[in-house]
Amino acid sequence: EAQVTQNPRYLITVTGKKLTVTCSQNMNHEYMSWYRQDPGLGLRQIYYSMNVEVTDKGDVPEGYKVSRKEKRNFPLILESPSPNQTSLYFCASSSFRSDTQYFGPGTRLTVL
Amino acid sequence: QKEVEQNSGPLSVPEGAIASLNCTYSDRGSQSFFWYRQYSGKSPELIMFIYSNGDKEDGRFTAQLNKASQYVSLLIRDSQPSDSATYLCAVNPAGNNRKLIWGLGTSLAVNP
Repeated sequence: EAQVTQNPRYLITVTGKKLTVTCSQNMNHEYMSWYRQDPGLGLRQIYYSMNVEVTDKGDVPEGYKVSRKEKRNFPLILESPSPNQTSLYFCASSSFRSDTQYFGPGTRLTVL
Repeated sequence: QKEVEQNSGPLSVPEGAIASLNCTYSDRGSQSFFWYRQYSGKSPELIMFIYSNGDKEDGRFTAQLNKASQYVSLLIRDSQPSDSATYLCAVNPAGNNRKLIWGLGTSLAVNP
């Protein structure tokens, strides 16, 4: 089954404790992206990647890091999480033949 | 700044009626347009995409695009309670970088 997976689905952590949210897709898509979604603010892009080893900032990159060492994986790293990073996070991917984005199930992160 | 605007709603329609959702965009050079449905706490799922002026039908859903007026709409015929969700409009402004501009969504409630 073609899909985008994210782990963990739910995470409660404390301020300053480094964490990684994994994202993996099995569709051989070149493009991958991370979004956060907050009430009243909609989907905001954090980082995106056009291909392996090619990443760029989105609209709200502060406090986040990403890497793209393999085509299928695009982890999101929070080196020192803060409460304002409490949010619902989505990973998405698309191919260069089509700009339709397919979303993972989401990760609900709470930083205390 | 490139923008996509949607009426936040809630839009309330009776079961069996036609629901009409609208979206306007600011970048006249936009090339592709998407409608996603999102249930509360879940990930966005693609309903339809449209690239050319006119109507595109898929089952109970019809997307309408008018590039001259810079709007795209989604009609849902024979609305069902299961259609109750938030509908997100997304636009690819130009080029090939896959960066979609997202509206904040319209909340639809279909009443039995």
